[in-house]
Amino acid sequence: DTGVSQDPRHKITKRGQNVTFRCDPISEHNRLYWYRQTLGQGPEFLTYFQNEAQLEKSRLLSDRFSAERPKGSFSTLEIQRTEQGDSAMYLCASSLAGRKTGELFFGEGSRLTVL
Amino acid sequence: DQQVKQNSPSLSVQEGRISILNCDYTNSMFDYFLWYKKYPAEGPTFLISISSIKDKNEDGRFTVFLNKSAKHLSLHIVPSQPGDSAVYFCAASDSGGSNYKLTFGKGTLLTVNP
Repeated sequence: DTGVSQDPRHKITKRGQNVTFRCDPISEHNRLYWYRQTLGQGPEFLTYFQNEAQLEKSRLLSDRFSAERPKGSFSTLEIQRTEQGDSAMYLCASSLAGRKTGELFFGEGSRLTVL
Repeated sequence: DQQVKQNSPSLSVQEGRISILNCDYTNSMFDYFLWYKKYPAEGPTFLISISSIKDKNEDGRFTVFLNKSAKHLSLHIVPSQPGDSAVYFCAASDSGGSNYKLTFGKGTLLTVNP
């Protein structure tokens, strides 16, 4: 399967702990995105990379959140000092810059539960 | 402030009939619109899109209509099939579709009954 893969699929942690999610995009895609989806809501944009450069960050991404894409391939999203409000599905997506459809290819998501 | 609104949380239709899912938006800068479908335990998958220079785009059983003056779009599925049962998200962007930053609605759960 050459789709977007995310790991872990589920993470349960205690408040105050740090968590890290990994995303492997479709191999030829140079754009990578992180979205967050809470219960009853649609996905919300967090940040995106073109190659290794992080080009935009949402105001939703507080200073406890950091995302990297060190070699322009996989990406990590780290949340420090987790809070119960961080409980959500974290979705990664990828695409090829220059495509006109705006289509993003999403992974299955990483569900975070903060106790 | 919800810039993309899907006011119907759910819709139920009979197999073979038409499904019409609606979406309204408030941001006049949006110039590209997309529909995504999501099955449980899967990520959203792209279904169909439309540029603001068009008022209709068709792909097989799926047609999206855009009414810019009303800031309204709709997705028509005909004929509906049980496999179409999923959550449908309307999304919009303001950079001509080459964009990254999609604003999503809350979704509509479509159930197609055999």
